[in-house]
Amino acid sequence: GQNIDQPTEMTATEGAIVQINCTYQTSGFNGLFWYQQHAGEAPTFLSYNVLDGLEEKGRFSSFLSRSKGYSYLLLKELQMKDSASYLCAVRNSGYALNFGKGTSLLVTP
Amino acid sequence: DGGITQSPKYLFRKEGQNVTLSCEQNLNHDAMYWYRQDPGQGLRLIYYSQIVNDFQKGDIAEGYSVSREKKESFPLTVTSAQKNPTAFYLCASTYSHTATNEKLFFGSGTQLSVL
Repeated sequence: GQNIDQPTEMTATEGAIVQINCTYQTSGFNGLFWYQQHAGEAPTFLSYNVLDGLEEKGRFSSFLSRSKGYSYLLLKELQMKDSASYLCAVRNSGYALNFGKGTSLLVTP
Repeated sequence: DGGITQSPKYLFRKEGQNVTLSCEQNLNHDAMYWYRQDPGQGLRLIYYSQIVNDFQKGDIAEGYSVSREKKESFPLTVTSAQKNPTAFYLCASTYSHTATNEKLFFGSGTQLSVL
């Protein structure tokens, strides 16, 4: 079985930092992905982690702890355009990508 | 430019009708996928195909059918057996189904509604 949990909604202020958490329980593990999705649009790839630690890519960073079944996406210097849903997805031993329900982030002025 | 094209953007289905959603890619990807997205829900896997003339059921395949006669095309048919078809349907592809670091490339989606 597989279980991926993320907060449903978060609100943050423009210019601030926000951390979106994701916990998972999965049979087999072949990596964790973060995607951004604006309403009515396709998800776009943000990051991939397969080893423990922090991956930094511009304003976005992603962290993974395999032993804890835990990841987070860190967004710095928030901009209004960062208002979107953020999807955590885990690739299990069957190579399929399984998605959490997503976290809707609202950035306010 | 390479990419994935889904059509139509919006589709309406009448009671008892089958409808087909189109997905075409020119990325030369072997693997293709269909996901369904409901409001407040994550993406759920309907079907996937690793190679031409082969496909497997995902988590919610009942009421759907697919074909993979060409590498570029992976159409999804929503049959009359699918009693709750209203959702946002996303097609995706990867170069290889077995490479673990392969990210999904998504089409722009089709919103299906029931009349």
